[in-house]
Amino acid sequence: DAGITQSPRHKVTETGTPVTLRCHQTENHRYMYWYRQDPGHGLRLIHYSYGVKDTDKGEVSDGYSVSRSKTEDFLLTLESATSSQTSVYFCAISETTRGQETQYFGPGTRLLVL
Amino acid sequence: AQSVTQPDIHITVSEGASLELRCNYSYGATPYLFWYVQSPGQGLQLLLKYFSGDTLVQGIKGFEAEFKRSQSSFNLRKPSVHWSDAAEFFCAVGARHSGYALNFGKGTSLLVTP
Repeated sequence: DAGITQSPRHKVTETGTPVTLRCHQTENHRYMYWYRQDPGHGLRLIHYSYGVKDTDKGEVSDGYSVSRSKTEDFLLTLESATSSQTSVYFCAISETTRGQETQYFGPGTRLLVL
Repeated sequence: AQSVTQPDIHITVSEGASLELRCNYSYGATPYLFWYVQSPGQGLQLLLKYFSGDTLVQGIKGFEAEFKRSQSSFNLRKPSVHWSDAAEFFCAVGARHSGYALNFGKGTSLLVTP
């Protein structure tokens, strides 16, 4: 399972409140990613990180920020949650084998914004 | 920009029948291609991947996929489907320039009938 955990696994919050999701990995992978999954859209990239304090935006980054102060942790923050951010959030890492990068996913966080 | 199309939103097959799930991609260079499977309420599991070399790749659970550059396709196949194969299947393309982040198709939901 590539040693990826996500917390919390489920969260219900109210519109306008800040929310932080945590992704933790145990195997020192350089690349980490946050995706959201919505019916009819597949998975879409929110942000990714290519090292400590090195991050970049993805396709659907508006309303989200990230931080990576340690190799093992990648945090996703919704500064002021909206109902459109109700989704399932997946963290992923990229594992390098013989020069090939392969992504493995965490179990997901189900977020409901009321 | 890279993109992935999975033309079939839903597919129904009888148990024991063969299966082919279609995936077409748009990308200028040689893509990194992946198939993932997701059971209800679960995370994503890697089925197989293509980076280079032999265009027919074998994966887990008896699945295989063939990369056809001329058709920009990476279709997933299985000779004989089992009821436990019912799930949602996602095709994805990755690129080095975006931190190896994946661009996903919208998924194909597989229903297996007795």
